[in-house]
Amino acid sequence: EDQVTQSPEALRLQEGESSSLNCSYTVSGLRGLFWYRQDPGKGPEFLFTLYSAGEEKEKERLKATLTKKESFLHITAPKPEDSATYLCAVQEGYGGATNKLIFGTGTLLAVQP
Amino acid sequence: DVKVTQSSRYLVKRTGEKVFLECVQDMDHENMFWYRQDPGLGLRLIYFSYDVKMKEKGDIPEGYSVSREKKERFSLILESASTNQTSMYLCASSFRGAGRPYEQYFGPGTRLTVT
Repeated sequence: EDQVTQSPEALRLQEGESSSLNCSYTVSGLRGLFWYRQDPGKGPEFLFTLYSAGEEKEKERLKATLTKKESFLHITAPKPEDSATYLCAVQEGYGGATNKLIFGTGTLLAVQP
Repeated sequence: DVKVTQSSRYLVKRTGEKVFLECVQDMDHENMFWYRQDPGLGLRLIYFSYDVKMKEKGDIPEGYSVSREKKERFSLILESASTNQTSMYLCASSFRGAGRPYEQYFGPGTRLTVT
């Protein structure tokens, strides 16, 4: 069965303490991996798309990387405003034109000042 | 900027009522999606549509139906609301392409409570 697993479920960091979130996947053929940020009570906000192993994307303090089995979201010197739930999603197989995604359950990040 | 709007942020309905949730996107996206999000279960796809009047079932379509009469609008209908349909409902849209997949953009969500 196709699966997306995120770890840890929750992470508490001090401001400035860098760390990484993990997204591992088992799908028949990855077409794309997506990272989203979700604030409490709001819809997910798109961050990055990664298409192939070895690819990296960066935005401010966030950097996403991709291997054949997992993706990491690295957070460098986080600030309290980075506190949110981070979601990972994959599109597998041929996908067609409909772009169905399989979501993980997310990592809840809390950054304390 | 992509904008996806949903008709209500919060709704409270009674068991057995018919409930309509509406979603509108302004980016001329072909694909539109309805998800529900529950603690510990993540986002689960209810229905999606890749064109006007076209729809396909997602992973949990039971108890729901959808309508897409115009490209920018996608409606989710709960025919007879039940307490187990209490959830956060999220609408999303994306471009459709045969090549690399496009990212989905989400609306703010509707928190539905069925009593």
